[in-house]
Amino acid sequence: KQEVTQIPAALSVPEGENLVLNCSFTDSAIYNLQWFRQDPGKGLTSLLLIQSSQREQTSGRLNASLDKSSGRSTLYIAASQPGDSATYLCAVISGNTGKLIFGQGTTLQVKP
Amino acid sequence: KAGVTQTPRYLIKTRGQQVTLSCSPISGHRSVSWYQQTPGQGLQFLFEYFSETQRNKGNFPGRFSGRQFSNSRSEMNVSTLELGDSALYLCASSLEPSGGYNEQFFGPGTRLTVL
Repeated sequence: KQEVTQIPAALSVPEGENLVLNCSFTDSAIYNLQWFRQDPGKGLTSLLLIQSSQREQTSGRLNASLDKSSGRSTLYIAASQPGDSATYLCAVISGNTGKLIFGQGTTLQVKP
Repeated sequence: KAGVTQTPRYLIKTRGQQVTLSCSPISGHRSVSWYQQTPGQGLQFLFEYFSETQRNKGNFPGRFSGRQFSNSRSEMNVSTLELGDSALYLCASSLEPSGGYNEQFFGPGTRLTVL
């Protein structure tokens, strides 16, 4: 059974700091991995999608990497801003079930 | 291009009632998935529809059901509501079934409160 874990559960950093969010999954048989952002009480905004054959994806100040063999992904946020404060969710599409399996998320607070 | 829309945004019901939630996918997207989000369990997959057929189902009781129409719009129904059904219900759409390499796009959700 695929399980997705995100560490840490919460993170508080000063504005301008570079930071890394971690995601691990137990079954390497995945189609892709997707990072989302969720603001309180809102839906999910897709940030980056990494196909299983890819190693990383970049969008602006965000960079996501994928290491299937070790079951890990990281989301790197450069020069963090208060507007980056949100919960970041990692999800994998399981190759066995075709279902999107989510981690519990990392709640990020960027202080001005 | 309009995003995924969900109606209503907020609902308050009492135990024992039933509720129907609606989701309109992004134009051209044929796959719709539903998720339940609670503080304790996080995001859990409910079911997925593609071309009016249920392709995948999560581990939820039969009180939770759904359907998809020919225009790809989808509805989910919860009968005999329980307090534990209080949650944010999210709908996601993608071009093709989620068992492939497709990016999922989420709607704003419907916040259901059961009293």
